[in-house]
Amino acid sequence: EDQVTQSPEALRLQEGESSSLNCSYTVSGLRGLFWYRQDPGKGPEFLFTLYSAGEEKEKERLKATLTKKESFLHITAPKPEDSATYLCAVKDNYGQNFVFGPGTRLSVLP
Amino acid sequence: DTEVTQTPKHLVMGMTNKKSLKCEQHMGHRAMYWYKQKAKKPPELMFVYSYEKLSINESVPSRFSPECPNSSLLNLHLHALQPEDSALYLCASGSIDRVSEAFFGQGTRLTVV
Repeated sequence: EDQVTQSPEALRLQEGESSSLNCSYTVSGLRGLFWYRQDPGKGPEFLFTLYSAGEEKEKERLKATLTKKESFLHITAPKPEDSATYLCAVKDNYGQNFVFGPGTRLSVLP
Repeated sequence: DTEVTQTPKHLVMGMTNKKSLKCEQHMGHRAMYWYKQKAKKPPELMFVYSYEKLSINESVPSRFSPECPNSSLLNLHLHALQPEDSALYLCASGSIDRVSEAFFGQGTRLTVV
């Protein structure tokens, strides 16, 4: 059974204080790993797709990386508007389902 | 255009009511999903439609009835719900032909009273 864990559960940063969020996964053949951002009461907003170990994607202050067992979302010099829950999801070789991790709630203080 | 539109945004219904949630996408995606999300929890899969046919039903109670009238529309019919069914209901769509991300709508906030 596919499993996704995320750490930390919650993270408070000062504006400009860089950090990383972790997503660890166990799947039967990874087809893709996906990062989403979710604001309270809204649907998840797609950020990145990673397909193979060693791959990296960047968008503004965010950079996602992938190894064979985990992915990191690096946030460089965050701003208060980066505050949100960041969700990691995987899709395996056998299913159509996106299996989500529990998320990391990020708060960036001005 | 990467938009998935869900209506209504908010819904309050009694336990004896019948209501429907609607979802629409025009990205040509042939996989469409219903997820349920409780507060401070990740989305949980309810149903998957592939090429307008139900391909996954995650043991969802029969008071939830999905329908996919065509490749752009997805409905979720609700009947005799319980207060514990109150949640954010999310629709998503994605490609079947290649491994790619799913795009989510903004959700319907459902309250059962």
